[in-house]
Amino acid sequence: QSVLTQPPSASGTPGQGVTISCSGSYSNIGRNTVNWYQQLPGMAPQLLIFGDSQRPSGVPDRFSGSKSGTSASLAISGLQSEDEADYFCAAWDDNVNGRGFVFGTGTTLTVL
Amino acid sequence: QVQLQESGPGLVKPSQTLSLTCTVSGGSVTSSGYYWSWIRQSPEKGLEWIGYIFYSGSTYYSPSLKSRVSISADTSKNEISLNLRFVTAADTAVYYCARQVMVPTTLAHYFDFWGQGTRVTVSS
Repeated sequence: QSVLTQPPSASGTPGQGVTISCSGSYSNIGRNTVNWYQQLPGMAPQLLIFGDSQRPSGVPDRFSGSKSGTSASLAISGLQSEDEADYFCAAWDDNVNGRGFVFGTGTTLTVL
Repeated sequence: QVQLQESGPGLVKPSQTLSLTCTVSGGSVTSSGYYWSWIRQSPEKGLEWIGYIFYSGSTYYSPSLKSRVSISADTSKNEISLNLRFVTAADTAVYYCARQVMVPTTLAHYFDFWGQGTRVTVSS
Protein backbone atom coordinates (compact mmCIF):
# COMPACT_ATOMS: atom_id res chain seq x y z
CA GLN A 1 0.00 0.00 0.00
CA SER A 2 3.04 2.25 -0.15
CA VAL A 3 2.32 5.30 -2.24
CA LEU A 4 5.90 6.36 -2.88
CA THR A 5 8.04 4.18 -5.16
CA GLN A 6 11.66 3.30 -4.43
CA PRO A 7 14.00 0.77 -6.01
CA PRO A 8 14.00 -2.40 -3.89
CA SER A 9 17.77 -2.55 -3.64
CA ALA A 10 20.96 -0.58 -4.06
CA SER A 11 24.59 -1.44 -3.50
CA GLY A 12 28.07 -0.02 -3.48
CA THR A 13 31.55 -0.67 -2.21
CA PRO A 14 33.12 1.13 0.74
CA GLY A 15 34.08 4.66 -0.17
CA GLN A 16 31.76 4.80 -3.16
CA GLY A 17 28.63 6.91 -3.50
CA VAL A 18 25.08 5.72 -4.05
CA THR A 19 21.78 7.43 -4.78
CA ILE A 20 18.32 6.18 -3.88
CA SER A 21 15.29 7.58 -5.67
CA CYS A 22 11.74 8.13 -4.45
CA SER A 23 8.90 8.79 -6.86
CA GLY A 24 5.52 10.18 -5.88
CA SER A 25 2.86 12.57 -7.10
CA TYR A 26 1.83 16.19 -6.79
CA SER A 27 -0.33 15.58 -3.72
CA ASN A 28 2.63 14.31 -1.72
CA ILE A 29 6.16 15.04 -2.93
CA GLY A 30 4.98 17.72 -5.33
CA ARG A 31 3.53 19.97 -2.65
CA ASN A 32 5.07 18.76 0.62
CA THR A 33 8.57 18.19 1.90
CA VAL A 34 10.25 14.79 1.88
CA ASN A 35 11.86 12.95 4.75
CA TRP A 36 14.24 10.02 4.70
CA TYR A 37 14.63 7.38 7.36
CA GLN A 38 17.29 4.75 7.96
CA GLN A 39 16.24 1.45 9.49
CA LEU A 40 19.00 -0.78 10.76
CA PRO A 41 18.18 -4.49 11.09
CA GLY A 42 15.80 -5.12 13.98
CA MET A 43 15.57 -1.43 14.87
CA ALA A 44 13.04 1.35 14.51
CA PRO A 45 13.45 3.84 11.66
CA GLN A 46 15.60 6.88 12.43
CA LEU A 47 15.28 10.31 10.87
CA LEU A 48 18.03 10.96 8.35
CA ILE A 49 16.75 13.90 6.31
CA PHE A 50 13.79 16.25 6.80
CA GLY A 51 12.45 19.18 4.83
CA ASP A 52 13.81 17.69 1.58
CA SER A 53 17.47 18.33 2.40
CA GLN A 54 18.01 19.15 6.05
CA ARG A 55 20.01 16.91 8.35
CA PRO A 56 19.17 16.52 12.05
CA SER A 57 22.10 17.08 14.34
CA GLY A 58 24.28 14.00 14.52
CA VAL A 59 23.64 12.83 10.96
CA PRO A 60 26.90 12.85 8.96
CA ASP A 61 27.12 15.17 5.98
CA ARG A 62 27.76 12.10 3.84
CA PHE A 63 23.97 11.91 3.67
CA SER A 64 22.18 14.48 1.52
CA GLY A 65 18.69 14.88 0.15
CA SER A 66 17.23 16.65 -2.84
CA LYS A 67 13.91 17.03 -4.59
CA SER A 68 12.69 17.95 -8.05
CA GLY A 69 9.03 18.01 -8.98
CA THR A 70 7.42 14.79 -7.79
CA SER A 71 10.67 12.90 -7.17
CA ALA A 72 13.24 12.98 -4.41
CA SER A 73 16.67 11.46 -3.93
CA LEU A 74 18.91 10.43 -1.07
CA ALA A 75 22.62 10.48 -1.81
CA ILE A 76 25.16 8.73 0.36
CA SER A 77 28.81 9.43 -0.26
CA GLY A 78 31.82 7.60 1.14
CA LEU A 79 29.88 4.43 1.86
CA GLN A 80 30.67 2.69 5.11
CA SER A 81 29.72 -0.79 6.25
CA GLU A 82 27.45 0.66 8.92
CA ASP A 83 25.34 2.29 6.20
CA GLU A 84 23.96 -1.15 5.34
CA ALA A 85 20.28 -0.74 6.17
CA ASP A 86 16.82 -0.15 4.76
CA TYR A 87 16.04 3.39 3.64
CA PHE A 88 12.54 4.86 3.38
CA CYS A 89 11.25 8.14 2.02
CA ALA A 90 8.09 9.73 3.39
CA ALA A 91 5.91 12.76 2.82
CA TRP A 92 2.64 14.25 3.90
CA ASP A 93 -0.06 13.61 1.31
CA ASP A 94 -2.91 16.04 0.64
CA ASN A 95 -4.96 13.62 -1.39
CA VAL A 96 -8.55 14.42 -2.30
CA ASN A 97 -9.54 11.16 -0.62
CA GLY A 98 -7.95 12.16 2.66
CA ARG A 99 -4.74 13.48 4.12
CA GLY A 100 -2.00 11.57 5.85
CA PHE A 101 1.59 10.46 5.85
CA VAL A 102 2.72 8.16 3.08
CA PHE A 103 5.88 6.12 2.95
CA GLY A 104 8.10 4.71 0.25
CA THR A 105 8.39 1.03 -0.57
CA GLY A 106 11.87 0.96 0.94
CA THR A 107 15.35 0.32 -0.45
CA THR A 108 17.76 -2.20 1.01
CA LEU A 109 21.31 -0.90 0.75
CA THR A 110 24.09 -3.46 0.63
CA VAL A 111 27.70 -2.42 1.15
CA LEU A 112 29.72 -4.97 -0.78
CA GLN B 1 16.18 13.42 24.65
CA VAL B 2 12.63 12.23 24.10
CA GLN B 3 12.08 8.50 24.48
CA LEU B 4 8.99 6.50 23.56
CA GLN B 5 8.15 2.96 24.65
CA GLU B 6 5.28 0.91 23.25
CA SER B 7 3.60 -1.78 25.29
CA GLY B 8 0.65 -4.12 24.97
CA PRO B 9 -0.34 -7.68 24.16
CA GLY B 10 1.65 -9.43 21.48
CA LEU B 11 -1.26 -11.62 20.43
CA VAL B 12 -4.81 -10.54 19.66
CA LYS B 13 -7.64 -12.72 18.42
CA PRO B 14 -9.46 -11.87 15.18
CA SER B 15 -12.45 -9.52 15.58
CA GLN B 16 -11.16 -8.27 18.92
CA THR B 17 -9.65 -4.88 19.76
CA LEU B 18 -5.91 -4.25 19.64
CA SER B 19 -4.90 -1.89 22.45
CA LEU B 20 -1.40 -0.42 22.77
CA THR B 21 0.16 2.21 25.00
CA CYS B 22 3.08 4.51 24.27
CA THR B 23 4.85 5.91 27.32
CA VAL B 24 6.72 9.14 26.67
CA SER B 25 9.71 10.26 28.72
CA GLY B 26 12.01 13.25 28.35
CA GLY B 27 9.12 15.31 27.01
CA SER B 28 5.41 15.94 27.51
CA VAL B 29 2.55 14.83 25.30
CA THR B 30 1.09 18.30 25.91
CA SER B 31 4.17 20.12 24.63
CA SER B 32 2.95 22.81 22.28
CA GLY B 33 3.06 22.09 18.58
CA TYR B 34 3.78 18.38 18.63
CA TYR B 35 1.79 15.51 17.21
CA TRP B 36 2.02 11.94 18.47
CA SER B 37 1.57 9.34 15.79
CA TRP B 38 1.08 5.63 15.50
CA ILE B 39 2.73 3.86 12.57
CA ARG B 40 2.84 0.17 11.74
CA GLN B 41 5.12 -1.94 9.58
CA SER B 42 4.51 -5.29 7.98
CA PRO B 43 6.23 -7.16 5.15
CA GLU B 44 3.01 -7.05 3.14
CA LYS B 45 2.16 -3.35 3.45
CA GLY B 46 5.45 -1.76 4.44
CA LEU B 47 5.28 1.32 6.66
CA GLU B 48 1.74 2.58 7.19
CA TRP B 49 0.72 5.70 9.09
CA ILE B 50 -2.28 5.08 11.34
CA GLY B 51 -3.03 8.50 12.78
CA TYR B 52 -2.04 11.15 15.30
CA ILE B 53 -3.17 13.02 18.35
CA PHE B 54 -2.18 16.66 18.57
CA TYR B 55 -0.89 18.16 21.82
CA SER B 56 -4.27 19.87 22.16
CA GLY B 57 -6.10 16.53 22.02
CA SER B 58 -7.43 16.73 18.49
CA THR B 59 -6.99 13.62 16.40
CA TYR B 60 -6.71 12.68 12.76
CA TYR B 61 -6.73 9.18 11.32
CA SER B 62 -5.69 7.52 8.10
CA PRO B 63 -8.72 7.39 5.79
CA SER B 64 -8.21 3.66 5.32
CA LEU B 65 -8.38 2.94 9.05
CA LYS B 66 -10.51 5.70 10.53
CA SER B 67 -13.62 3.53 10.89
CA ARG B 68 -11.76 1.21 13.29
CA VAL B 69 -9.13 3.31 15.04
CA SER B 70 -9.01 5.71 17.96
CA ILE B 71 -6.05 7.45 19.58
CA SER B 72 -6.17 9.08 22.99
CA ALA B 73 -3.85 10.61 25.55
CA ASP B 74 -3.53 10.23 29.31
CA THR B 75 -1.73 13.42 30.26
CA SER B 76 -1.39 12.37 33.91
CA LYS B 77 0.68 9.36 32.83
CA ASN B 78 2.25 11.06 29.79
CA GLU B 79 0.95 8.23 27.61
CA ILE B 80 -0.62 7.87 24.19
CA SER B 81 -2.95 4.96 23.45
CA LEU B 82 -4.07 3.21 20.30
CA ASN B 83 -7.23 1.16 19.92
CA LEU B 84 -7.86 -0.74 16.69
CA ARG B 85 -11.17 -2.55 16.56
CA PHE B 86 -12.26 -5.65 14.65
CA VAL B 87 -8.75 -6.77 13.83
CA THR B 88 -7.91 -9.34 11.19
CA ALA B 89 -4.71 -11.08 10.18
CA ALA B 90 -3.99 -8.09 7.94
CA ASP B 91 -3.42 -6.02 11.09
CA THR B 92 -0.46 -8.18 12.11
CA ALA B 93 2.53 -5.82 12.21
CA VAL B 94 5.13 -4.07 14.30
CA TYR B 95 3.48 -1.01 15.80
CA TYR B 96 5.50 2.14 16.49
CA CYS B 97 4.64 5.37 18.21
CA ALA B 98 6.54 8.44 17.08
CA ARG B 99 6.68 12.16 17.71
CA GLN B 100 5.61 14.09 14.66
CA VAL B 101 6.86 17.60 14.03
CA MET B 102 5.30 20.15 11.73
CA VAL B 103 7.34 23.28 11.04
CA PRO B 104 4.87 26.15 10.58
CA THR B 105 7.12 28.23 8.34
CA THR B 106 7.85 25.47 5.86
CA LEU B 107 4.98 23.03 6.57
CA ALA B 108 7.60 20.30 6.82
CA HIS B 109 6.24 17.21 8.56
CA TYR B 110 8.54 14.55 9.94
CA PHE B 111 8.95 12.00 12.72
CA ASP B 112 11.94 12.87 14.88
CA PHE B 113 11.67 10.29 17.66
CA TRP B 114 10.41 6.72 17.43
CA GLY B 115 9.73 4.00 19.95
CA GLN B 116 11.43 0.64 19.51
CA GLY B 117 8.19 -0.91 18.29
CA THR B 118 6.05 -3.75 19.53
CA ARG B 119 5.09 -6.78 17.47
CA VAL B 120 1.41 -7.67 17.37
CA THR B 121 0.11 -10.87 15.84
CA VAL B 122 -3.57 -11.37 15.07
CA SER B 123 -4.39 -15.04 15.31
CA SER B 124 -6.85 -17.36 16.97
